[in-house]
Amino acid sequence: GEEVAQTPKHLVRGEGQKAKLYCAPIKGHSYVFWYQQVLKNEFKFLISFQNENVFDETGMPKERFSAKCLPNSPCSLEIQATKLEDSAVYFCASSSLMGTWGYTFGSGTRLTVV
Amino acid sequence: EDQVTQSPEALRLQEGESSSLNCSYTVSGLRGLFWYRQDPGKGPEFLFTLYSAGEEKEKERLKATLTKKESFLHITAPKPEDSATYLCAVGHTGNQFYFGTGTSLTVIP
Repeated sequence: GEEVAQTPKHLVRGEGQKAKLYCAPIKGHSYVFWYQQVLKNEFKFLISFQNENVFDETGMPKERFSAKCLPNSPCSLEIQATKLEDSAVYFCASSSLMGTWGYTFGSGTRLTVV
Repeated sequence: EDQVTQSPEALRLQEGESSSLNCSYTVSGLRGLFWYRQDPGKGPEFLFTLYSAGEEKEKERLKATLTKKESFLHITAPKPEDSATYLCAVGHTGNQFYFGTGTSLTVIP
């Protein structure tokens, strides 16, 4: 079936190193969302895209986090100079509809900063 | 302040022992209440969407209900394969979810 593909599954970085996560949305889905899941299942919204345009970036820590969705490429979430508190599972979701309907989540990338 | 609270945090049931999970919310600009199931190492999997008070939806052993301030996920005669974390999420006008912290359900054979 169709799925949102996230790579890598696991990523370990030393504090201060860069981390880059990738997400291939379901074909035909125009909307892509990134969430960060930390301890105790706490999900935090980071950013959303409509095609290659940023739709909502109110959750992004702008100093070190950046994200892109370029045509014909997987979307990416990049963290410059990682910190210990960036350790989390990062989920990508895609949807064909505006709003919170029809989200399909990927399996996540577990980032561990040591 | 926008908030989604789930209880209990963890629940252990014997196979066949029915129970309910609770999700209470205070969110402005509500756009639907969603239930997801999350298995270890996986992303949330969509179960139900509820939009208005009084609405109910069912799927196999699960039934979700909604009032103006809370939602319940009723599990009837659960099986071990129902063991998972159940997440409640509220849709917001900002095109994003506010998630609760989940209920970890364990069904013992």
